[in-house]
Amino acid sequence: DAKTTQPNSMESNEEEPVHLPCNHSTISGTDYIHWYRQLPSQGPEYVIHGLTSNVNNRMASLAIAEDRKSSTLILHRATLRDAAVYYCILSTSGTYKYIFGTGTRLKVLA
Amino acid sequence: GAGVSQSPSNKVTEKGKDVELRCDPISGHTALYWYRQSLGQGLEFLIYFQGNSAPDKSGLPSDRFSAERTGGSVSTLTIQRTQQEDSAVYLCASSSAGNPSYNEQFFGPGTRLTVL
Repeated sequence: DAKTTQPNSMESNEEEPVHLPCNHSTISGTDYIHWYRQLPSQGPEYVIHGLTSNVNNRMASLAIAEDRKSSTLILHRATLRDAAVYYCILSTSGTYKYIFGTGTRLKVLA
Repeated sequence: GAGVSQSPSNKVTEKGKDVELRCDPISGHTALYWYRQSLGQGLEFLIYFQGNSAPDKSGLPSDRFSAERTGGSVSTLTIQRTQQEDSAVYLCASSSAGNPSYNEQFFGPGTRLTVL
């Protein structure tokens, strides 16, 4: 299973953009990149996913490097409610297994 | 609509006892997943159901763990002869039919299991 590497923690000021990096140097051509986040005492929730092209949704943007060996989750304006652990996950097309790492704990400062 | 629900929310048991954890997926979701999250750790995949079938049980930590799903809906994770290292939050998720690699998984709130 392809692995991801994320910083253990990051801090951001409220209402500023946040760029959360993820390295996945062993990604294969059919691996999708997913981001989930886990708020305190809750189950994870979906944020965004992509394959090759950059993606935008109401929550965030996903920027995927041209060689796909890294990606960045972008929160355009961090709020206190965005404080969570963010997980970057790879899944191979046709498989069902998500391999969660330890994620990045995002702290948002008021 | 209703999300994924799990019961009980908390379970405290004594070492050696059996426990059953229940998951009610979102109605119509054919795929169901169980994960385990130990304190301060990421999620560990346990088992996946497509309908009532579990194609891969290799994530189950030992033969004390088993899971079943009936009617393509409710799933039960059973841990026999619980050990202290089984203490964790057990999370259930479901997703709709289709390619499982990019279908969003919807997670329940989890069951916190404490084995004394």
